[in-house]
Amino acid sequence: DAGVIQSPRHEVTEMGQEVTLRCKPISGHNSLFWYRQTMMRGLELLIYFNNNVPIDDSGMPEDRFSAKMPNASFSTLKIQPSEPRDSAVYFCASSIPGQPNEKLFFGSGTQLSVL
Amino acid sequence: GNSVTQMEGPVTLSEEAFLTINCTYTATGYPSLFWYVQYPGEGLQLLLKATKADDKGSNKGFEATYRKETTSFHLEKGSVQVSDSAVYFCALSSQGAQKLVFGQGTRLTINP
Repeated sequence: DAGVIQSPRHEVTEMGQEVTLRCKPISGHNSLFWYRQTMMRGLELLIYFNNNVPIDDSGMPEDRFSAKMPNASFSTLKIQPSEPRDSAVYFCASSIPGQPNEKLFFGSGTQLSVL
Repeated sequence: GNSVTQMEGPVTLSEEAFLTINCTYTATGYPSLFWYVQYPGEGLQLLLKATKADDKGSNKGFEATYRKETTSFHLEKGSVQVSDSAVYFCALSSQGAQKLVFGQGTRLTINP
């Protein structure tokens, strides 16, 4: 299996632009998580899905952030409009059905820089 | 709420030194505890876990024991290698909860 696949690996954009991050979870995993990593705040959970349904989005920082999971093999995290303080590494992770809190499989992340 | 506190880094050691990275937690009930490792340019990987008090998780020479009396889950390795250089995250998940709560991470550098 190719693991969790994220794209792009790096994104540089200007303040005010729309940014879309993409994630393909491991086939057969039914839970998907979006995390943000910064030096100041560490690793923060933004939102997670079970069976394509958003379960907890309390970590989404504000309305500029939105996430979708239209099917079991694809999810997006969108920031519109982007701001410099959104600069971070964004990770997607998926987990095995039945025991979602036992082991997360992380992608390699998207390094986002908002100028 | 649930939280995890790790010793602040960075930590720099020489090869073959003994490693301890401290982790303490605050949680209700009986959480599961984890150590994840992040190598440069990669996502996090599960290193080891323990699901009940006094359990010892181990993998790749690393060990951690679930101590409920001290609410701790310290990571240890007897002889570190250059390839162990990475960021280490302690994490917990509460009973019935699906999401993990991570500590801040500790950057470890091993010099030859």
